[in-house]
Amino acid sequence: DTGVSQDPRHKITKRGQNVTFRCDPISEHNRLYWYRQTLGQGPEFLTYFQNEAQLEKSRLLSDRFSAERPKGSFSTLEIQRTEQGDSAMYLCASSLEGTGPDTQYFGPGTRLTVL
Amino acid sequence: DQQVKQNSPSLSVQEGRISILNCDYTNSMFDYFLWYKKYPAEGPTFLISISSIKDKNEDGRFTVFLNKSAKHLSLHIVPSQPGDSAVYFCAASAGGNKLVFGAGTILRVKS
Repeated sequence: DTGVSQDPRHKITKRGQNVTFRCDPISEHNRLYWYRQTLGQGPEFLTYFQNEAQLEKSRLLSDRFSAERPKGSFSTLEIQRTEQGDSAMYLCASSLEGTGPDTQYFGPGTRLTVL
Repeated sequence: DQQVKQNSPSLSVQEGRISILNCDYTNSMFDYFLWYKKYPAEGPTFLISISSIKDKNEDGRFTVFLNKSAKHLSLHIVPSQPGDSAVYFCAASAGGNKLVFGAGTILRVKS
């Protein structure tokens, strides 16, 4: 399967702990996006990369959140000192520059539960 | 502020009939609109899109209509099938990068 993959699929942590999620995009895609989806809402944009450069960050991305894409391939999203409000589905998507917004392919997501 | 709104949380339709899902937006800078479908435990899957220069786009059983003056778009599914039961998200883009999503509409197609 050559789609977007995310790991882990589920993560349960205690408040105050740090968590890290990984996203592997479709291999030829140079754009990578992170979204967050809470219960009853649609996905909300967090940040996106073009190659290894982080080009935009939402104000939703507080100081406790950091995302990296060190070699322009996979990306990690780290949440420090987790809070119960961080409980959500974290979605990753990828696309190829210049192909338009409808070519964002989403992964299955990582469901985070903060106790 | 919610720039993309789906005011119907759920919709129930009989198999074979038409499903109409609605979406309203407020940002005049949006130039591309998309519909995504989502099954439980999966990520959203792209369904159909429309550019702001068009008022209709059709793909098989799926048609999206755009009314720019009313800032309204709709997705028509004809005929509806039980496999269409899912959450449908309306999304919009201004400039081709990040997507702004509505809250979703749960569609149930009864057989």
